[in-house]
Amino acid sequence: SQQGEEDPQALSIQEGENATMNCSYKTSINNLQWYRQNSGRGLVHLILIRSNEREKHSGRLRVTLDTSKKSSSLLITASRAADTASYFCATEPSGSARQLTFGSGTQLTVLP
Amino acid sequence: GAVVSQHPSRVICKSGTSVKIECRSLDFQATTMFWYRQFPKQSLMLMATSNEGSKATYEQGVEKDKFLINHASLTLSTLTVTSAHPEDSSFYICSAILTSGFPRPGEQYFGPGTRLTVT
Repeated sequence: SQQGEEDPQALSIQEGENATMNCSYKTSINNLQWYRQNSGRGLVHLILIRSNEREKHSGRLRVTLDTSKKSSSLLITASRAADTASYFCATEPSGSARQLTFGSGTQLTVLP
Repeated sequence: GAVVSQHPSRVICKSGTSVKIECRSLDFQATTMFWYRQFPKQSLMLMATSNEGSKATYEQGVEKDKFLINHASLTLSTLTVTSAHPEDSSFYICSAILTSGFPRPGEQYFGPGTRLTVT
């Protein structure tokens, strides 16, 4: 079942601005992952943050994890039109057989 | 490395027929594969966990007799939608776990998805 909620559901920004998406989840986790999906296409893995990590960077991406609040955020800096996509967080619950539970997703539109 | 393919990418079938979707790990072995379903503008919902050489584990609410899963080898899992109906029209995505080796064992790698349309 869908565990996470993401907000906002939709976000529209100008090229060059930063985009922040938030994810909340309900149970304890091994890790939390962020994925991107272009319309009608498969998923692209962006970044994985483990439960004992608080922040992780990858290029223009910055992910934070607060296990006490059961929440995570994804920041995309200096956004580009090519960043337009749906972004999903996914959690691997503690004790699971690597199953992922996906959040509801944020549709990001970056206007040129 | 760690590429997962799906075939076909798109399929249109008539109501009442069966459709088979293949998921292959191209350059690694995967003891576990997962099948997800995604309706338009919605998130991915896990349907079942497929383990090589054993029966699949289905999520609550997923009919195992309707969605037949076979994981006959370490590189291939198939999902057969039997007696398809228009409400089965969806985007079906598989993923595979890299059991060992490069680049990051334990992470899931997703296929590109299969768009099923039942008329």
